[in-house]
Amino acid sequence: NAGVTQTPKFQVLKTGQSMTLQCAQDMNHEYMSWYRQDPGMGLRLIHYSVGAGITDQGEVPNGYNVSRSTTEDFPLRLLSAAPSQTSVYFCASSYSNEGARDNEKLFFGSGTQLSVL
Amino acid sequence: SQQGEEDPQALSIQEGENATMNCSYKTSINNLQWYRQNSGRGLVHLILIRSNEREKHSGRLRVTLDTSKKSSSLLITASRAADTASYFCATDTNTPLVFGKGTRLSVIA
Repeated sequence: NAGVTQTPKFQVLKTGQSMTLQCAQDMNHEYMSWYRQDPGMGLRLIHYSVGAGITDQGEVPNGYNVSRSTTEDFPLRLLSAAPSQTSVYFCASSYSNEGARDNEKLFFGSGTQLSVL
Repeated sequence: SQQGEEDPQALSIQEGENATMNCSYKTSINNLQWYRQNSGRGLVHLILIRSNEREKHSGRLRVTLDTSKKSSSLLITASRAADTASYFCATDTNTPLVFGKGTRLSVIA
């Protein structure tokens, strides 16, 4: 199993450009999520999905869109990049057992380092 | 949003010493998890402790949970240079995991 795969690893954008960060997992996980990590801020949740066709907002969703058309893929779209979106982005997934109240452990991708000029 | 807060923010120790880092949180939890992040890499899950557990071990890791004080501690015994990393606690209520800002551990050989 490859686990959680994120592409690209590095990206430089100009202000106003759009792009999609890709995330794929091969563990048949129902739950997928996107975090951003900034120095001194820890990890902040952007969007998450509990299954195909279902998405929800996290703590910092503005400026980002997501969709979940398949169990495997959870792309993150930046609509009009801004310098404030310069960050490291992590995708994470977990198996979620319907009816179980506890989150299972998260498996993380290796991250995408994004710079917006 | 409710968040775990790790303490200290940074810790520097000699190889062979024990490292202790703490996590405090604000509201009742289902479980608490600890993760490690090596520089430039994604987070890796270390250990999960449920709200009805008080202590858990995994190799050189020992985690305690005190729900009355809303706090947890992670102890790494006999530290190695390879333990140099950032360590995060994550709290599970009935919402997606919320991470603290982390403790940066440096183990000096």
